[in-house]
Amino acid sequence: AQSVTQLDSQVPVFEEAPVELRCNYSSSVSVYLFWYVQYPNQGLQLLLKYLSGSTLVKGINGFEAEFNKSQTSFHLRKPSVHISDTAEYFCAVSGSGTSYGKLTFGQGTILTVHP
Amino acid sequence: KAGVTQTPRYLIKTRGQQVTLSCSPISGHRSVSWYQQTPGQGLQFLFEYFSETQRNKGNFPGRFSGRQFSNSRSEMNVSTLELGDSALYLCASSLEVAGGRETQYFGPGTRLLVL
Repeated sequence: AQSVTQLDSQVPVFEEAPVELRCNYSSSVSVYLFWYVQYPNQGLQLLLKYLSGSTLVKGINGFEAEFNKSQTSFHLRKPSVHISDTAEYFCAVSGSGTSYGKLTFGQGTILTVHP
Repeated sequence: KAGVTQTPRYLIKTRGQQVTLSCSPISGHRSVSWYQQTPGQGLQFLFEYFSETQRNKGNFPGRFSGRQFSNSRSEMNVSTLELGDSALYLCASSLEVAGGRETQYFGPGTRLLVL
């Protein structure tokens, strides 16, 4: 079984400051890792994904994440946030093969960017 | 290319009724997954369909069912609605490629309110 823990339910930050949203996962098999963002009253939008290869993954809107297998973590970072980054962020994991279509999500982190 | 579309966007039902939600995947995508999002339980996987066959199933009661048509459009049905079924229901589609699958793209969701 797989599980995802997002360590912070809410993260307030000032505009132009750096931010890190933390995610730890648990799985007995190889996994694929994702970060999605959800704006109010909208669906989920993919920020970035780790399937294999380089452990540093760059995504859209200036976000990046680093896969750390030994610490089973996949933390999301942005060096300078904007007001428009205010949203809820979800870390997710899926298995390979026929389990790829089943995403297991963390509980979400609400990022609030203050002017 | 058009994104994932879900209809209706909003729905109000009463306890005991049944409801059918529809999802049209991105053109060419044959895998469709459904998720339920609630404030208490977060995002939970319902089921995944591929080529008209259910490939993965989450831990939901039998009142929740789904199907997929030959054009990859999918429907989910909830019978005998309960208050706790009030949620945002999200559909996601993905493309099967040689050696694996691509990202899941999410629709805007159907918000169901059960009174």
